[in-house]
Amino acid sequence: GAGVSQTPSNKVTEKGKYVELRCDPISGHTALYWYRQSLGQGPEFLIYFQGTGAADDSGLPNDRFFAVRPEGSVSTLKIQRTERGDSAVYLCASSLSPSGTGETQYFGPGTRLLVL
Amino acid sequence: QQQVKQSPQSLIVQKGGISIINCAYENTAFDYFPWYQQFPGKGPALLIAIRPDVSEKKEGRFTISFNKSAKQFSLHIMDSQPGDSATYFCAASMYPYSGAGSYQLTFGKGTKLSVIP
Repeated sequence: GAGVSQTPSNKVTEKGKYVELRCDPISGHTALYWYRQSLGQGPEFLIYFQGTGAADDSGLPNDRFFAVRPEGSVSTLKIQRTERGDSAVYLCASSLSPSGTGETQYFGPGTRLLVL
Repeated sequence: QQQVKQSPQSLIVQKGGISIINCAYENTAFDYFPWYQQFPGKGPALLIAIRPDVSEKKEGRFTISFNKSAKQFSLHIMDSQPGDSATYFCAASMYPYSGAGSYQLTFGKGTKLSVIP
């Protein structure tokens, strides 16, 4: 694939349910980011992976949010006990390596999550 | 605390005109300033970026002007076209001195640009 892909493109769930959002980064990109974009806002950082480990999870809003990247490629963002306030577009981005600022982050199309 | 403030929220420009979007930042540790373009239903895509050691960078019709002392930077779109109609985000990142290694981007709230024929 040429770019970052995310599945599903849309997810509708009920309050209290568990959801998983998947991100396939560009092949060879070791750095992976998750952002959340609320309606009318810019993306906000959630978590960063370098390889398999979550190097920075300071943006996760609470312990209902968790993400993994077990083999250093595909990542899954997991949200437990979803709340209506979790409704947003969840964006994944990848970059070649964290060698310095200015390493372009390539974004996927996002997963639009709606919690009813 | 909003670390990157963007204005205007929306902008209407006639075809052929100049679109100007402004951003101001607070954290002097920021050292990379990209602009992203986002079309409805798509993810943001890098348009152009600048580092604070230069005051201007031009790529085609797109120019970033950077004022380090004022902590401000702006995007100029020359000869604006209807195809430029999108939401534009300024962003900033910094070297992760804390060692966590994250070059996370801090985004402005976005400017919705409409270029009318």
